Amino acid sequence: GESVGLHLPTLSVQEGDNSIINCAYSNSASDYFIWYKQESGKGPQFIIDIRSNMDKRQGQRVTVLLNKTVKHLSLQIAATQPGDSAVYFCAENMGLTGGGNKLTFGTGTQLKVEL
Amino acid sequence: DAGVIQSPRHEVTEMGQEVTLRCKPISGHNSLFWYRQTMMRGLELLIYFNNNVPIDDSGMPEDRFSAKMPNASFSTLKIQPSEPRDSAVYFCASRVGTGNSPLHFGNGTRLTVT
Repeated sequence: GESVGLHLPTLSVQEGDNSIINCAYSNSASDYFIWYKQESGKGPQFIIDIRSNMDKRQGQRVTVLLNKTVKHLSLQIAATQPGDSAVYFCAENMGLTGGGNKLTFGTGTQLKVEL
Repeated sequence: DAGVIQSPRHEVTEMGQEVTLRCKPISGHNSLFWYRQTMMRGLELLIYFNNNVPIDDSGMPEDRFSAKMPNASFSTLKIQPSEPRDSAVYFCASRVGTGNSPLHFGNGTRLTVT
C-alpha cells in the first residue's frame, strides 16, 4: 500500500507580516531548547536557543518564548521575508541514562511566505 | 569554518550492498551525532559519540547498522547489508561539550536503496 508520511503543519504568511510557530515539548526535565530552520536539500540550521531558566530570548528578527508550565515553545519571526520559507523544528535537550545529553526534534512546521 | 562535512551527498545502491557514510565534524567539537530523516518518522537520533566514545546507540535500527569514530575528526556510519527501507537522508552533527550548546549539522547524505 501507499506509505503515509508525516503531515507537516503549514503556516502561510504574507511577506512583511510577523510569523509565530508553536511547539509542544514532551519532557518537563528538559533544560535547553533550540529552534532550527531547514531548507530543501540542506541540513537543519541553528536559529536561536533558550535555557530553561529563561522565558524569552531575542535575536535578530527572531524571538523565542518558553512556557514551562504548559511545556510550550514558540518562535516569532518579525517582518517575514521570502527567504524565511523553510521547515522549522524545535528541539529539546534531554539527559541520557548513561550520561550526556541528546536533542530530540519535533515534527516540524512548514512556513510559506507569500509575496 | 568549513562546518560539518558529509560525503557522499548522494548514494544510490542496490539492496544487499554495503554502504558507508562519512562525516568530518567541526574542529574542536567533541560530541558527534548521527541522525536519520524520513517523511515517515522525521528526524531520529541513531547514535551519539562523546570524545570518540559511543554514549547512546539505542536509536540504531538493528545489527545491520554500525558506527565508528576512530578519531576526533572522522566518523563513519555503515549499513551492511542495505535494504530499501534504509532509504533516507542521513545527517551528521557536532557540538562543543555535552550539554547546553547547539548542534551544527552537515548537509546530509541522501541514500537510495533499490
